[in-house]
Amino acid sequence: NAGVTQTPKFQVLKTGQSMTLQCAQDMNHEYMSWYRQDPGMGLRLIHYSVGAGITDQGEVPNGYNVSRSTTEDFPLRLLSAAPSQTSVYFCASINGMGTEAFFGQGTRLTVV
Amino acid sequence: DAKTTQPTSMDCAEGRAANLPCNHSTISGNEYVYWYRQIHSQGPQYIIHGLKNNETNEMASLIITEDRKSSTLILPHATLRDTAVYYCIVRVEGSSNTGKLIFGQGTTLQVKP
Repeated sequence: NAGVTQTPKFQVLKTGQSMTLQCAQDMNHEYMSWYRQDPGMGLRLIHYSVGAGITDQGEVPNGYNVSRSTTEDFPLRLLSAAPSQTSVYFCASINGMGTEAFFGQGTRLTVV
Repeated sequence: DAKTTQPTSMDCAEGRAANLPCNHSTISGNEYVYWYRQIHSQGPQYIIHGLKNNETNEMASLIITEDRKSSTLILPHATLRDTAVYYCIVRVEGSSNTGKLIFGQGTTLQVKP
């Protein structure tokens, strides 16, 4: 999708390992968000940011940390991976009026 | 943000109009209705949004009832590539919640040949 770069596309972790999912946008959007999507389920909001230096929790924040040091970047950190965090993760970038919402291609994470 | 209710699934014949309903009976006066869709394995895609008046763009039309308690997304000539999960979301435009998109279960639209 235009303007949102999400890496990696696939990742396998062992229980207890940590990792960072990267998300970058070049559209100067104010809002960025992280979602997870489990098989057959809808997207659930993990954390979101309304601007550089400002983050807040979403629906399922436990086990994840975020930071927004720049407008462009919004990394998601898994502190100690658990099998329950096996999911597909999407990063979103949204403009101020909500009329432009771009999502990354997703990261398929498996925790064994 | 107001809660929305959508049917779980719908079918539509290719080439025909697809009409996807959404109920939002607790919508507030300053809340907009947004529609997104998610094609299999991809990230969601913005379709259209509106406040009171009906809206149309190159992808779809949005019809909002006069009391604003429900709306219908219309895909005028559905194609097989329109098969997706469609999400109706209600929220205040331009607020701090703009980036806080909460997705429900949505409607799975199956377009059949």
